[in-house]
Amino acid sequence: DVVMTQSPLSLSVTLGQPASISCRSSQGLVFRDGNTYLNWFHQRPGQSPRRLFYRVSNRDSGVPDRFSGSGSGTDFTLKISRVEAEDIGVYYCMQGTHWPRTFGQGTKVEIK
Amino acid sequence: QVQLVESGGGVVQPGTSLRLSCAASGFTFSTCAMQWVRQAPGKGLDWVATISKSGSDKFYADSVKGRFTISRDNSEDTLYLQMNSLRGEDMAVYYCVREWELSTWGQGTLVTVSS
Repeated sequence: DVVMTQSPLSLSVTLGQPASISCRSSQGLVFRDGNTYLNWFHQRPGQSPRRLFYRVSNRDSGVPDRFSGSGSGTDFTLKISRVEAEDIGVYYCMQGTHWPRTFGQGTKVEIK
Repeated sequence: QVQLVESGGGVVQPGTSLRLSCAASGFTFSTCAMQWVRQAPGKGLDWVATISKSGSDKFYADSVKGRFTISRDNSEDTLYLQMNSLRGEDMAVYYCVREWELSTWGQGTLVTVSS
């Protein structure tokens, strides 16, 4: 199975400051069609997860542009340029290239 | 708007069965692959199963293979998860999720396995 390793596992950030989450996969995530199926999700406390990005850097509708997704191969990053209060919760990466699908452990973001 | 509404969760004893349903609306169900993802209390996300839009292709996590069956009724816009031989480690909130790339999630239904 492809292991997805996120770091850090928790992040305490001052409002208005940037934040960055790393996600590394144990195998490359380029599919035979040339796409890289790496998604990012955000789960606020008590809510269902919500997708933020698909195929590394494609931002979902309604996701603020202070969020960005980047990376290639086995190394991916989610960045928040200026953290706001609504950004708290847990962030997960997930690979959709190989079976079985696998998620990272999650990164908990809180406000300092 | 897209809506996924799960139902069928509850408290069951180990070794018993349960069937989850997910009613879809707001999109053309028959054109979308569908998935189940679960989350044990206080834990992370865990992919369970995926079914293609026609239902001809199904994929399972090793932890549920042979015990769980994913299916769909495109005439009723409904996704199912038949869970047999339930174990304590199956206790989780089960989410119905739209598309190969998990674009939309339901609110989840809680399955508690306890004697």
